[in-house]
Amino acid sequence: QVQLVQSGAEVKKPGSSVKVSCKASGGTFSSYDISWVRQAPGQGLQWMGGIIPIFATANYAQRFQGRVTLTTDESTSTAYMELRSLRSEDTAVYYCARLIAAAGHFDSWGQGTLVTVSS
Amino acid sequence: EIVLTQSPGTLSLSPGERATLSCRASQSVSSSYLAWYQQKPGQAPRLLIYGASSRATGIPDRFSGSGSGTDFTLTISRLEPEDFAVYYCQQYGETFGQGTKVEIK
Repeated sequence: QVQLVQSGAEVKKPGSSVKVSCKASGGTFSSYDISWVRQAPGQGLQWMGGIIPIFATANYAQRFQGRVTLTTDESTSTAYMELRSLRSEDTAVYYCARLIAAAGHFDSWGQGTLVTVSS
Repeated sequence: EIVLTQSPGTLSLSPGERATLSCRASQSVSSSYLAWYQQKPGQAPRLLIYGASSRATGIPDRFSGSGSGTDFTLTISRLEPEDFAVYYCQQYGETFGQGTKVEIK
């Protein structure tokens, strides 16, 4: 059973950046397809992008292109999501999740990381 | 871009009743890639159904999924107190519906 554990809550100023981590255990990290999904307060789920460590190539949702970077560190089985040029609308809970690529669903989720953007 | 529209927005029901949630796609999608999730306040989403009709590990059989093409349904045969939550449909990773809240009447 895959477990994903995320870093703690962050408070950031508008215009700054945030980097959230997601540490995986149980299974072969390099073959995972890790996506990031965010949820603004009281809102639905929004896919941001995904990355497969063994390929080290990420794909991003159009709306986040140029502002988000996904990376992985295979030595620590950790995935990272960096979001730049933060604005108040980026206040949300950010989740990492493992995508089962053959079927397109997320079978394991991190606990979520609240990022608050406020001056 | 495929858009998933869920209805109703809110479903008010009593424990023991049957819940029927709808997910409509803006164009035909493969049922192999249609999933449903349950989310409770303060928790991450939990996978319920994948491939439109297959229950995920540990999901009770009161949850069932059906549908094809553009119309999909999640049915909860008899609501238990722990089933009151928000439910999302999702198509291949990237696209989520806006959610249906199942609340206690």
